[in-house]
Amino acid sequence: DAKTTQPNSMESNEEEPVHLPCNHSTISGTDYIHWYRQLPSQGPEYVIHGLTSNVNNRMASLAIAEDRKSSTLILHRATLRDAAVYYCILRGPLYGSEKLVFGKGTKLTVNP
Amino acid sequence: DVKVTQSSRYLVKRTGEKVFLECVQDMDHENMFWYRQDPGLGLRLIYFSYDVKMKEKGDIPEGYSVSREKKERFSLILESASTNQTSMYLCASSFGEPQHFGDGTRLSIL
Repeated sequence: DAKTTQPNSMESNEEEPVHLPCNHSTISGTDYIHWYRQLPSQGPEYVIHGLTSNVNNRMASLAIAEDRKSSTLILHRATLRDAAVYYCILRGPLYGSEKLVFGKGTKLTVNP
Repeated sequence: DVKVTQSSRYLVKRTGEKVFLECVQDMDHENMFWYRQDPGLGLRLIYFSYDVKMKEKGDIPEGYSVSREKKERFSLILESASTNQTSMYLCASSFGEPQHFGDGTRLSIL
C-alpha cells in the first residue's frame, strides 16, 4: 500500500479556515485519496474522498495537486467540534481490496 | 443514517477466557471489518468479510477468529485472551464507499 505522510499535530482558531496537508509521493494512478476523522471517544467517520479533481461536500473540501503527490483537506470555518485526529488514506479501486490502512494522522486542536 | 452497533463500550475479561465481541449493522452492507486501535500504532485491520460466511485475514489476525453467519452481524472471537489483546476494538461496515464505524469496545484483559 502506498504511504501517506501527515504532520503529527496542528492548531487552529475557531471560525478560521484550516488546511490539513498530506503527502503521498508513491501514489498509483488508480489510488483514491480518502479522509476520515476520529473525534474523542468515537469511531472514525468519513469526511471526503477524491481521485484527481478537487471535491467539495458539506463537511469539507479536498484539494488534490496536479501531480497527485499531495492533497489538502480544507475545513472552511473550524468549530470546536472539528477537534479530532484526521487521517489521510490511499485506497485502490478494486473490489475485494476494501480495507483502509490508517496511519497516525494529524491531531487538530481548535482554540475558542 | 447507517448505524453500526457494537455490543459493549467497555469489557473486562481474564487471561485465557474466550471472548466474543459482537457487531451489528443495519444497512445491508456486504463488507464488514474488525480493527484494533492502540496508542502510537493507529488502527490495524484484524479481519474482514465481504459476504456471509466469507472472511479474509487482515494485517494482524493472530490470536483472533471471526464469524459471519448473517449479513448484518460480524463477531470477533479471542480464542484465549491474553494481556497483549487489551485494546480498543472497532467494527466497520461498507458497501463501496465509505466505511461506517461503530464507537468501539474498550477491552481490558487482566
